[in-house]
Amino acid sequence: DVKVTQSSRYLVKRTGEKVFLECVQDMDHENMFWYRQDPGLGLRLIYFSYDVKMKEKGDIPEGYSVSREKKERFSLILESASTNQTSMYLCASTSGTYEQYFGPGTRLTVT
Amino acid sequence: GDSVTQMEGPVTLSEEAFLTINCTYTATGYPSLFWYVQYPGEGLQLLLKATKADDKGSNKGFEATYRKETTSFHLEKGSVQVSDSAVYFCAINKGGGADGLTFGKGTHLIIQP
Repeated sequence: DVKVTQSSRYLVKRTGEKVFLECVQDMDHENMFWYRQDPGLGLRLIYFSYDVKMKEKGDIPEGYSVSREKKERFSLILESASTNQTSMYLCASTSGTYEQYFGPGTRLTVT
Repeated sequence: GDSVTQMEGPVTLSEEAFLTINCTYTATGYPSLFWYVQYPGEGLQLLLKATKADDKGSNKGFEATYRKETTSFHLEKGSVQVSDSAVYFCAINKGGGADGLTFGKGTHLIIQP
């Protein structure tokens, strides 16, 4: 089975802190994605990567950056966390066969 | 740009009732269509998919047919169970699969015994 893991299920950070969310997949997938999920808004794509060291902006990249130094790992970085970044963050990966496999999510609260 | 519209909930049904969750999309090109399900406290799981017109995706008693003429992909199940209570997301892919998915806002389904 494909497994996508995320470093934390719950995270509480203070405004202005630098936050790292880590995602690891074990199926040698080329493509990885970060989404945020908010009530009434569904999932929105933040960034994605189709290869090591490659990144592409999604629909809402402002306030975020990403890093992909190894194929299996894709990190989402909040350079200076703000309260409007309180959300559920979901990582996903795919080999390009269209089906995306999701991690369990990280619920981030910024106070 | 691409978008997905689905009925918003919560949708409350009794066990063994018939379920329909409507989903329509706008997209350039010829997207693949998906339904994902999210159970409480979990990430999203693929429920079913269809990649071309008139394809029917099916899984766990759920079905949806790719209707290109009406740009729709409605989810149906003949007899729901309490265990089907979850949030259901309709989604389309942005391109060849490598560019991410565009999701609807999700439909919270509650099944009462």
